[in-house]
Amino acid sequence: SQKIEQNSEALNIQEGKTATLTCNYTNYSPAYLQWYRQDPGRGPVFLLLIRENEKEKRKERLKVTFDTTLKQSLFHITASQPADSATYLCALGGYNTDKLIFGTGTRLQVFP
Amino acid sequence: NAGVTQTPKFQVLKTGQSMTLQCAQDMNHNSMYWYRQDPGMGLRLIYYSASEGTTDKGEVPNGYNVSRLNKREFSLRLESAAPSQTSVYFCASSLGSQDTQYFGPGTRLTVL
Repeated sequence: SQKIEQNSEALNIQEGKTATLTCNYTNYSPAYLQWYRQDPGRGPVFLLLIRENEKEKRKERLKVTFDTTLKQSLFHITASQPADSATYLCALGGYNTDKLIFGTGTRLQVFP
Repeated sequence: NAGVTQTPKFQVLKTGQSMTLQCAQDMNHNSMYWYRQDPGMGLRLIYYSASEGTTDKGEVPNGYNVSRLNKREFSLRLESAAPSQTSVYFCASSLGSQDTQYFGPGTRLTVL
Protein backbone atom coordinates (compact mmCIF):
# COMPACT_ATOMS: atom_id res chain seq x y z
CA SER A 1 0.00 0.00 0.00
CA GLN A 2 1.01 3.62 -0.39
CA LYS A 3 3.18 5.02 2.35
CA ILE A 4 4.34 8.55 3.07
CA GLU A 5 7.06 9.20 5.62
CA GLN A 6 7.84 12.47 7.30
CA ASN A 7 10.25 12.80 10.17
CA SER A 8 8.12 12.26 13.26
CA GLU A 9 10.69 13.90 15.50
CA ALA A 10 10.49 17.64 15.90
CA LEU A 11 13.00 19.78 14.07
CA ASN A 12 14.52 22.48 16.26
CA ILE A 13 16.51 25.24 14.57
CA GLN A 14 17.78 28.67 15.41
CA GLU A 15 16.19 31.81 13.98
CA GLY A 16 17.79 32.89 10.73
CA LYS A 17 18.86 29.39 9.68
CA THR A 18 17.35 27.35 6.87
CA ALA A 19 14.91 24.62 7.90
CA THR A 20 14.73 21.54 5.67
CA LEU A 21 11.88 19.07 6.01
CA THR A 22 11.71 15.74 4.18
CA CYS A 23 8.82 13.81 2.66
CA ASN A 24 9.50 10.32 1.32
CA TYR A 25 6.98 8.04 -0.33
CA THR A 26 6.73 4.46 -1.58
CA ASN A 27 4.37 2.42 -3.75
CA TYR A 28 2.95 5.50 -5.43
CA SER A 29 3.46 7.58 -8.55
CA PRO A 30 1.99 10.97 -7.70
CA ALA A 31 0.93 13.51 -10.26
CA TYR A 32 1.69 16.30 -7.80
CA LEU A 33 2.66 17.00 -4.22
CA GLN A 34 1.39 19.67 -1.85
CA TRP A 35 2.74 21.12 1.39
CA TYR A 36 0.49 22.42 4.15
CA ARG A 37 1.11 24.20 7.43
CA GLN A 38 -0.91 23.35 10.54
CA ASP A 39 -0.93 25.37 13.75
CA PRO A 40 -2.17 23.81 17.02
CA GLY A 41 -5.97 23.63 17.18
CA ARG A 42 -6.41 24.73 13.57
CA GLY A 43 -6.96 23.18 10.18
CA PRO A 44 -4.11 22.81 7.66
CA VAL A 45 -3.36 25.75 5.38
CA PHE A 46 -2.03 25.26 1.84
CA LEU A 47 1.50 26.52 1.11
CA LEU A 48 2.83 25.15 -2.20
CA LEU A 49 2.02 22.67 -4.97
CA ILE A 50 4.64 21.06 -7.20
CA ARG A 51 3.83 18.81 -10.16
CA GLU A 52 5.71 15.66 -11.16
CA ASN A 53 7.36 17.37 -14.12
CA GLU A 54 8.66 20.25 -11.99
CA LYS A 55 11.94 20.02 -10.13
CA GLU A 56 11.60 23.07 -7.91
CA LYS A 57 9.04 25.67 -6.83
CA ARG A 58 9.59 28.85 -4.84
CA LYS A 59 7.34 31.24 -2.96
CA GLU A 60 8.95 34.02 -0.95
CA ARG A 61 11.11 32.26 1.70
CA LEU A 62 9.75 28.81 0.81
CA LYS A 63 11.26 26.34 -1.65
CA VAL A 64 10.05 22.87 -2.55
CA THR A 65 11.89 20.25 -4.59
CA PHE A 66 10.42 17.07 -6.05
CA ASP A 67 12.57 14.12 -7.10
CA THR A 68 10.42 11.36 -8.59
CA THR A 69 13.45 9.08 -8.96
CA LEU A 70 14.30 9.27 -5.26
CA LYS A 71 10.57 9.46 -4.42
CA GLN A 72 11.27 12.42 -2.20
CA SER A 73 10.29 16.04 -1.69
CA LEU A 74 12.28 18.55 0.33
CA PHE A 75 10.68 21.64 1.86
CA HIS A 76 12.98 24.53 2.75
CA ILE A 77 12.26 27.66 4.79
CA THR A 78 15.09 30.17 4.49
CA ALA A 79 15.80 32.85 7.10
CA SER A 80 13.46 31.05 9.48
CA GLN A 81 11.53 32.98 12.12
CA PRO A 82 9.82 31.93 15.37
CA ALA A 83 6.51 32.57 13.57
CA ASP A 84 7.37 29.67 11.23
CA SER A 85 7.00 27.26 14.17
CA ALA A 86 4.21 24.84 13.22
CA THR A 87 3.61 21.33 11.91
CA TYR A 88 4.20 20.89 8.19
CA LEU A 89 2.33 18.22 6.24
CA CYS A 90 3.09 16.85 2.80
CA ALA A 91 0.31 15.36 0.68
CA LEU A 92 0.41 13.37 -2.55
CA GLY A 93 -2.17 13.61 -5.30
CA GLY A 94 -2.77 11.21 -8.16
CA TYR A 95 -4.03 11.42 -11.70
CA ASN A 96 -7.77 11.76 -12.26
CA THR A 97 -8.62 11.82 -8.56
CA ASP A 98 -9.51 14.52 -6.06
CA LYS A 99 -8.06 12.50 -3.18
CA LEU A 100 -4.90 13.46 -1.33
CA ILE A 101 -2.80 11.15 0.82
CA PHE A 102 -1.29 12.99 3.77
CA GLY A 103 1.89 12.33 5.71
CA THR A 104 1.88 12.51 9.50
CA GLY A 105 3.69 15.84 9.53
CA THR A 106 6.88 17.22 11.01
CA ARG A 107 6.81 19.74 13.83
CA LEU A 108 9.20 22.65 13.34
CA GLN A 109 10.32 24.76 16.27
CA VAL A 110 12.31 27.93 15.54
CA PHE A 111 13.90 29.46 18.61
CA PRO A 112 15.32 32.98 18.90
CA ASN B 1 -16.09 35.02 2.63
CA ALA B 2 -16.17 32.69 5.63
CA GLY B 3 -14.40 29.89 3.71
CA VAL B 4 -15.12 26.48 5.24
CA THR B 5 -17.18 26.43 8.44
CA GLN B 6 -17.81 23.46 10.73
CA THR B 7 -20.21 22.93 13.62
CA PRO B 8 -19.93 22.08 16.39
CA LYS B 9 -16.39 22.92 17.54
CA PHE B 10 -16.47 20.44 20.41
CA GLN B 11 -18.72 17.48 21.22
CA VAL B 12 -18.79 14.75 23.85
CA LEU B 13 -20.89 11.66 23.16
CA LYS B 14 -21.60 8.45 25.00
CA THR B 15 -21.02 5.14 23.24
CA GLY B 16 -23.99 4.32 21.02
CA GLN B 17 -25.21 7.90 20.60
CA SER B 18 -25.56 9.42 17.15
CA MET B 19 -24.69 12.84 15.83
CA THR B 20 -24.14 14.80 12.63
CA LEU B 21 -21.19 17.04 11.95
CA GLN B 22 -22.04 19.93 9.66
CA CYS B 23 -19.78 21.53 7.05
CA ALA B 24 -20.43 24.37 4.65
CA GLN B 25 -18.28 26.27 2.14
CA ASP B 26 -18.99 29.56 0.38
CA MET B 27 -16.29 29.36 -2.30
CA ASN B 28 -18.44 27.61 -4.94
CA HIS B 29 -16.16 24.58 -4.79
CA ASN B 30 -17.13 21.33 -6.46
CA SER B 31 -15.29 18.86 -4.21
CA MET B 32 -15.68 18.39 -0.47
CA TYR B 33 -13.97 16.03 1.97
CA TRP B 34 -14.16 14.69 5.50
CA TYR B 35 -10.93 13.73 7.31
CA ARG B 36 -10.09 12.55 10.77
CA GLN B 37 -6.79 13.36 12.46
CA ASP B 38 -5.35 11.20 15.21
CA PRO B 39 -1.95 11.51 16.93
CA GLY B 40 0.73 9.71 14.94
CA MET B 41 -1.72 8.80 12.16
CA GLY B 42 -1.95 12.00 10.20
CA LEU B 43 -5.02 13.06 8.25
CA ARG B 44 -7.06 10.14 6.93
CA LEU B 45 -9.85 10.53 4.41
CA ILE B 46 -13.23 9.25 5.55
CA TYR B 47 -15.48 10.22 2.62
CA TYR B 48 -15.38 12.70 -0.19
CA SER B 49 -17.73 14.18 -2.75
CA ALA B 50 -16.40 15.16 -6.17
CA SER B 51 -19.60 16.98 -7.08
CA GLU B 52 -23.10 17.64 -5.84
CA GLY B 53 -25.02 14.37 -5.69
CA THR B 54 -21.99 12.06 -5.57
CA THR B 55 -20.09 10.60 -2.63
CA ASP B 56 -17.27 8.06 -2.40
CA LYS B 57 -15.51 6.19 0.36
CA GLY B 58 -12.06 7.16 1.49
CA GLU B 59 -9.53 5.26 3.55
CA VAL B 60 -11.57 4.85 6.77
CA PRO B 61 -15.33 4.97 5.99
CA ASN B 62 -16.59 2.32 8.44
CA GLY B 63 -18.99 3.69 11.05
CA TYR B 64 -19.74 6.88 9.09
CA ASN B 65 -22.25 8.11 6.54
CA VAL B 66 -22.27 11.33 4.54
CA SER B 67 -24.73 13.52 2.69
CA ARG B 68 -23.91 16.10 0.06
CA LEU B 69 -27.01 18.17 0.67
CA ASN B 70 -26.22 20.74 -2.03
CA LYS B 71 -23.10 22.30 -3.50
CA ARG B 72 -22.36 24.19 -0.29
CA GLU B 73 -23.00 21.58 2.41
CA PHE B 74 -21.49 18.19 3.22
CA SER B 75 -22.46 16.48 6.48
CA LEU B 76 -20.89 13.53 8.31
CA ARG B 77 -23.06 11.26 10.46
CA LEU B 78 -22.05 8.85 13.17
CA GLU B 79 -24.99 6.48 13.65
CA SER B 80 -23.68 4.69 16.74
CA ALA B 81 -20.59 6.35 18.15
CA ALA B 82 -17.70 4.23 19.45
CA PRO B 83 -14.66 5.26 21.54
CA SER B 84 -12.48 4.52 18.48
CA GLN B 85 -14.17 7.47 16.78
CA THR B 86 -12.68 9.91 19.29
CA SER B 87 -10.72 12.21 17.04
CA VAL B 88 -10.50 15.66 15.48
CA TYR B 89 -12.61 15.89 12.33
CA PHE B 90 -11.80 18.27 9.51
CA CYS B 91 -13.92 19.20 6.54
CA ALA B 92 -12.22 20.54 3.42
CA SER B 93 -13.21 21.73 -0.03
CA SER B 94 -11.48 22.28 -3.36
CA LEU B 95 -12.42 23.62 -6.77
CA GLY B 96 -11.68 20.26 -8.32
CA SER B 97 -9.02 17.70 -9.04
CA GLN B 98 -5.42 18.74 -8.37
CA ASP B 99 -6.51 21.92 -6.65
CA THR B 100 -5.69 23.33 -3.24
CA GLN B 101 -7.82 22.03 -0.41
CA TYR B 102 -9.22 24.55 2.06
CA PHE B 103 -9.83 23.24 5.55
CA GLY B 104 -12.32 24.16 8.22
CA PRO B 105 -11.33 24.75 11.86
CA GLY B 106 -12.16 21.21 12.94
CA THR B 107 -14.51 19.46 15.38
CA ARG B 108 -12.99 17.82 18.44
CA LEU B 109 -15.11 14.76 19.25
CA THR B 110 -14.79 12.61 22.35
CA VAL B 111 -16.74 9.37 22.69
CA LEU B 112 -16.93 8.00 26.23
